[in-house]
Amino acid sequence: DTEVTQTPKHLVMGMTNKKSLKCEQHMGHRAMYWYKQKAKKPPELMFVYSYEKLSINESVPSRFSPECPNSSLLNLHLHALQPEDSALYLCASSYGSSGSSYNEQFFGPGTRLTVL
Amino acid sequence: QKEVEQNSGPLSVPEGAIASLNCTYSDRGSQSFFWYRQYSGKSPELIMSIYSNGDKEDGRFTAQLNKASQYVSLLIRDSQPSDSATYLCAVNKGAAGNKLTFGGGTRVLVKP
Repeated sequence: DTEVTQTPKHLVMGMTNKKSLKCEQHMGHRAMYWYKQKAKKPPELMFVYSYEKLSINESVPSRFSPECPNSSLLNLHLHALQPEDSALYLCASSYGSSGSSYNEQFFGPGTRLTVL
Repeated sequence: QKEVEQNSGPLSVPEGAIASLNCTYSDRGSQSFFWYRQYSGKSPELIMSIYSNGDKEDGRFTAQLNKASQYVSLLIRDSQPSDSATYLCAVNKGAAGNKLTFGGGTRVLVKP
């Protein structure tokens, strides 16, 4: 079952709200990722978790806070966002963090976030 | 120079023809190469991965890698209207952390 699930599908929030995005995979993958994608642009990496530890933070503002409760779950906590943070937020997972045979990344359907 | 470059298109292809997409990358240490298909409003879908020089075929798709020339290409044979999408080239340098760098994507339009 090559599936990554994300909830919610759509989220509208005000700049003072706190919300969370959730991602889940049951493929036994040990690396999970958050990407941000603006319209007509490629995905931009935000965070990488490898074996439940944060391994890459691409200088993302602190209003985005990732959390990896276990190897199957990845959350992205949102607080005090700006309208320019409106985008499609994508979660992905892969088998491992290194080794060319295992680093195919599979994306979830994404959460469409609108910040008012 | 961008790390991964693609022609933005649109690449207009008649139904049944071959669509040829190209991607160049700047880091000679790159080890893994991927093609994703993304329909409008949807998430990227992995369609091909290639790691060594040469061709790799999967159904109507063929990926070609030339590390000496630092390019990777994707051929779509017998193009169908359902192939109309944006195709993203992604490159992994192979360093710890499994970081993908994406090209800007090529929009493909297959006309019936």
